[in-house]
Amino acid sequence: DADVTQTPRNRITKTGKRIMLECSQTKGHDRMYWYRQDPGLGLRLIYYSFDVKDINKGEISDGYSVSRQAQAKFSLSLESAIPNQTALYFCATSPGQDNRGNQPQHFGDGTRLSIL
Amino acid sequence: QQQVKQSPQSLIVQKGGISIINCAYENTAFDYFPWYQQFPGKGPALLIAIRPDVSEKKEGRFTISFNKSAKQFSLHIMDSQPGDSATYFCAASYGNKLVFGAGTILRVKS
Repeated sequence: DADVTQTPRNRITKTGKRIMLECSQTKGHDRMYWYRQDPGLGLRLIYYSFDVKDINKGEISDGYSVSRQAQAKFSLSLESAIPNQTALYFCATSPGQDNRGNQPQHFGDGTRLSIL
Repeated sequence: QQQVKQSPQSLIVQKGGISIINCAYENTAFDYFPWYQQFPGKGPALLIAIRPDVSEKKEGRFTISFNKSAKQFSLHIMDSQPGDSATYFCAASYGNKLVFGAGTILRVKS
């Protein structure tokens, strides 16, 4: 079983619809992140959360909202989807710094979202 | 404005050759520089990382070279193999938040 699970894996929807992407993790990490990936732009941070009561905006938060329901669950919502939100979305978790001095982020396999 | 600039966009290398990917950054607050590897249909996975107090780090066939004064760092893949064909992202971190480069698509020809 995957440590970081994203649902759905694929979604096609129409402009103006409300969409929720879900992320759950079994790694026991406090820190969770949402990114979007676009060709030629890499991954850009949308929102992040360092514990259940902590929510922070990232580089491109406009048009998105998040909910941290529990340590293991972090959801991303598009309240009224628009075509330029078509992208590949990734959830990630992190333990902070590990005992090797790394700050690893562990990614799910992504949700491919298309907005028509 | 891309805070971390990565080049080239794509790279073709013969099996056994050396693959080199370069990145540059502006923000001197960055304190951790990882490289991620992504295969099609999968999320990125941490490959190797370096801190700015070290000029080079090697793990197997993968080496990061870091030039703090020039604000540049690079990934070298020695003895490149077809299984290394993937997209590679450099990144820079402050406060446990990552800023990614645009990515390099590497193809290793057998």
